[in-house]
Amino acid sequence: SQKIEQNSEALNIQEGKTATLTCNYTNYSPAYLQWYRQDPGRGPVFLLLIRENEKEKRKERLKVTFDTTLKQSLFHITASQPADSATYLCASHTGRRALTFGSGTRLQVQP
Amino acid sequence: DAGVIQSPRHEVTEMGQEVTLRCKPISGHDYLFWYRQTMMRGLELLIYFNNNVPIDDSGMPEDRFSAKMPNASFSTLKIQPSEPRDSAVYFCASHTGTEAFFGQGTRLTVV
Repeated sequence: SQKIEQNSEALNIQEGKTATLTCNYTNYSPAYLQWYRQDPGRGPVFLLLIRENEKEKRKERLKVTFDTTLKQSLFHITASQPADSATYLCASHTGRRALTFGSGTRLQVQP
Repeated sequence: DAGVIQSPRHEVTEMGQEVTLRCKPISGHDYLFWYRQTMMRGLELLIYFNNNVPIDDSGMPEDRFSAKMPNASFSTLKIQPSEPRDSAVYFCASHTGTEAFFGQGTRLTVV
């Protein structure tokens, strides 16, 4: 079955460091992958989308990569800040355009 | 636009009672998704609509769950009868192409 997975439940890093989150997919080839941020008590908010023919996409301190050989996307936050602490979700459209999410990685940036 | 609007924000009900969750998508968005989020299972897709027509309801856990979209500006998710294991946060999301916009969610507690 088609799966999108985030194997790290939680990640703790020091302020100023780069956070790297991983998203893997199996048994399908998404045309694009998306990354969302979710704060406690709120719905997910869209951050970035990367298409299969794009190796890398940047937005301010955020960078996303897409490796179709490894079937993986990496999400980086450079110069991390405590305000970046949140849960980050990757997502893609599977069959019939259903938007499916990974389980999320909870990032904690320590001051 | 005010974004995706869900009501109520919180619902506490007794086991066996009927629960109706409501969603108003963003005007012009032709896809509407209902998700359920729990700590154990993450963000699960329950059902989605395209142009008010249900496309895939394979995520609906049981016949106790039903969803309707009578017009482009309104959708409901109904649970009848409710059970304690239905306790979760239910999100509605809409999109017109790629990026999904989520509501604030309804936190349902069935006692």
